[in-house]
Parts: sequence; C-alpha cells; structure tokens
Amino acid sequence: SQTIHQWPATLVQPVGSPLSLECTVEGTSNPNLYWYRQAAGRGLQLLFYSVGIGQISSEVPQNLSASRPQDRQFILSSKKLLLSDSGFYLCAWSPVAGGETQYFGPGTRLLVL
Amino acid sequence: GEDVEQSLFLSVREGDSSVINCTYTDSSSTYLYWYKQEPGAGLQLLTYIFSNMDMKQDQRLTVLLNKKDKHLSLRIADTQTGDSAIYFCAESGNTDKLIFGTGTRLQVFP
Repeated sequence: SQTIHQWPATLVQPVGSPLSLECTVEGTSNPNLYWYRQAAGRGLQLLFYSVGIGQISSEVPQNLSASRPQDRQFILSSKKLLLSDSGFYLCAWSPVAGGETQYFGPGTRLLVL
Repeated sequence: GEDVEQSLFLSVREGDSSVINCTYTDSSSTYLYWYKQEPGAGLQLLTYIFSNMDMKQDQRLTVLLNKKDKHLSLRIADTQTGDSAIYFCAESGNTDKLIFGTGTRLQVFP
C-alpha cells in the first residue's frame, strides 16, 4: 500500500532563517506531487506541483521554492523565512495525471517568530 | 476562473443529520471529492463521485450531485461527536490539480 510521510511535524523558526520541509511517498512510482499551505482558519492554497523529477510548477509568487530530486521525494524550501510563511504545510500525491484523487500527508506546522 | 464555495460553519446536535453544501463553477469537472480534516491533521479522503452520477452512498455518508446547478452536498446520517472536523469539497477538471473549497467547520454538540 502507499504511504506518504512529512517531516518535521512541527517547526519553529526565526524570521530570516532558511527552511527545508521534506515529503516522501512509498509504494508507488512516478506520482504527481503537491505542496499546499493552509493558513490558520483558512482553506488550502496550492503552492507547487510536480509531474516528474525536476519538473516543478509554481502556482503563486512567493518566498518559497520546491524541488524534486528523486521520483518520490518533494522538498519545500526557503532561503529567508518571513512571518507570513507561518502555516500548516501539506504534501499530497496522486497516482496519475488528469485530476486523479489526491492523498495527503500528515502535515508540518511551521511557526515563524 | 474555477471556484468552489462552501459555507464556513455548521452546528448540529448529536444524532441528527448534517448536510454540508458546496457549489462549483467548472462544468468540465470529472470527479468531485469530499475530504475531512481533524484538528492538527492532514486531509482524509472521505468519498468522491464521478460527474455522471447523481448520488453515491457509503454507510452514513450520502453524496448528492446536481450537475445542472453545479451543486454538491454531503449528508452525514446520525452525526457523532467524532464527525466534528473541517470538511472540504474539491473538484477536478482536465488538469492535474484539484480546486478546493474553503472548508466547512462542522461542530457536533451533545
């Protein structure tokens, strides 16, 4: 069966520090991968998605970047965090292209102070 | 552009039925989804319906789709306190992306 992992679960970082959040998927090959942010009390905002290694699509201009160094690994990064980067970051995968069902990881809660 | 709308809050008494509504704009949606998010957790897929269906039932969950009005609903029968969560409606089109609603916070009180 397929599983999706995210770490860390919780992170507190000072403003201006770098960020690296990791997401890995097991039990499937060539998944589509997604990064979402959920601000407190708000809905989901799609940040990045990837249909293959090294292929990243950015949905909104921001202080963040994403990379996919391996087929089942998706990394969310920042060189310098802003207060507004605080939120709940969710990674998701879907089996094939074309709007298939997405399955979510447990999320990383990021607090920037 | 594509848009999915939901009411923000719903409060029901334990044992009653809950109905969570959603409207969407993309008439080319292939699948429509309901996800549940418990506090501090990721999203859990509850159910989905193919766009050529009108209804889908799965135990206490009933999904109704009115494609003409672009209206989707999720009915939870015999609502329990464990059903308290945020429920997200989402649609898929002809892309690799899902469009999510803002979520409906369901509160179940005894």
